[in-house]
Parts: sequence; C-alpha cells; structure tokens
Amino acid sequence: GENVGLHLPTLSVQEGDNSIINCAYSNSASDYFIWYKQESGKGPQFIIDIRSNMDKRQGQRVTVLLNKTVKHLSLQIAATQPGDSAVYFCAENMVQGDMRFGAGTRLTVKP
Amino acid sequence: DSGVTQTPKHLITATGQRVTLRCSPRSGDLSVYWYQQSLDQGLQFLIHYYNGEERAKGNILERFSAQQFPDLHSELNLSSLELGDSALYFCASSGPLGTGELFFGEGSRLTVL
Repeated sequence: GENVGLHLPTLSVQEGDNSIINCAYSNSASDYFIWYKQESGKGPQFIIDIRSNMDKRQGQRVTVLLNKTVKHLSLQIAATQPGDSAVYFCAENMVQGDMRFGAGTRLTVKP
Repeated sequence: DSGVTQTPKHLITATGQRVTLRCSPRSGDLSVYWYQQSLDQGLQFLIHYYNGEERAKGNILERFSAQQFPDLHSELNLSSLELGDSALYFCASSGPLGTGELFFGEGSRLTVL
C-alpha cells in the first residue's frame, strides 16, 4: 500500500487491548484538533475532534484527551480490533487557516 | 465516499515535465486544501484556498502552483518535475473556516521517472 516504507513511529497491540496514540502539537494558539485514520491506499478519514476549550471528548470506542499546558493530544481506542490497523494522524487548526498534520503513528493490531 | 473527487488517480511522467492535478470538493464546501504525502514525510501541507482566494500557504515549492476556480474546483500544477516530487497528492475540502473536519479525496499518485 501507499504507506509501505513510511518511517513512522509504530504501536503494536493485541486485539481486545486498549491503544493509546500520542501527538505533540506545535502552536499554543491552535484552537481545534482532529484525529484522522489513514488505511492503506486511502485518504485520511475523520475519527474525532476536540476544541481547545475542552480537555476530553468521547466517541464510539475512542477518546481524545487534550493537554494544552504541554501541547499534547492523545487518542485512546478501546477494545482495539484488527480493522483499527492503520496510520493515525493528529491535526491542528492553525490560526492562519490551515490544518497541519503530525508525523503519524502506525497502529498494528495482532489477532 | 468522502464526496471529494481527484483526478487522475495515477500519473507517470518524466523529469522536467509538467502535470496538473484536479480536485472537485464536496458540494457546498468552499475550502480546498492540498497536501503532499511522501514515503518518509507524512502529510505536508501545501496550500489552502477559500472561495477562490488563497488563504494559507505551507511548504509549497515555487515550481508548484494552485488555483481555485469560480465553480470551486481546484488544480495543482507541478512543473519542472524532479524525482523527489514522486508522492501522493491529496486534496481535501471543508465547510466554513475553522469549524469542521477535512474530507479527503483518494489522492493522485504521481511517479516521476
């Protein structure tokens, strides 16, 4: 797939375990953050978002935590499934109007 | 299906050539973003257009240019191509500024030989 050879941080978990993917963002003035999932051969897809006036947001099996003090985001996936295997990117909405993406983390779920 | 359409899906060309990648955003979306994804650099922001106007510019080379037309579709022009320009080029669209997610197309894979 398109991501073969991509030198990303990797996380390998057992099916059914919880996964935590971390991301450091760059701009303390960024006010909106999104986690994206990119499967091989596809464009990134929205998972969950959070605004800077919140520190936690929950979705279905996913939770995003925002720590503005240290400019850190995390994505927690509960009961990880093989279909969760993908590259995960955090993105921040920069003040000047563009979305900047982090380096990405490759999640591999072992059955 | 995100509703964002990119053409062509695959393109093979030679160094020194020029190519144009096309993007049709989701119906009603005013913003179009272009990103480059190389094997070792993740998603690199190139440029953002909003309702026909350039809104923000990232690490876009001078050999590259883009525009958004009155019908809101966008084109990314890549000229004097080099081997290092080989990458996946993604277009994404969104609604009102700063208020929502980006919807990505399936990408255009450019191979420069």
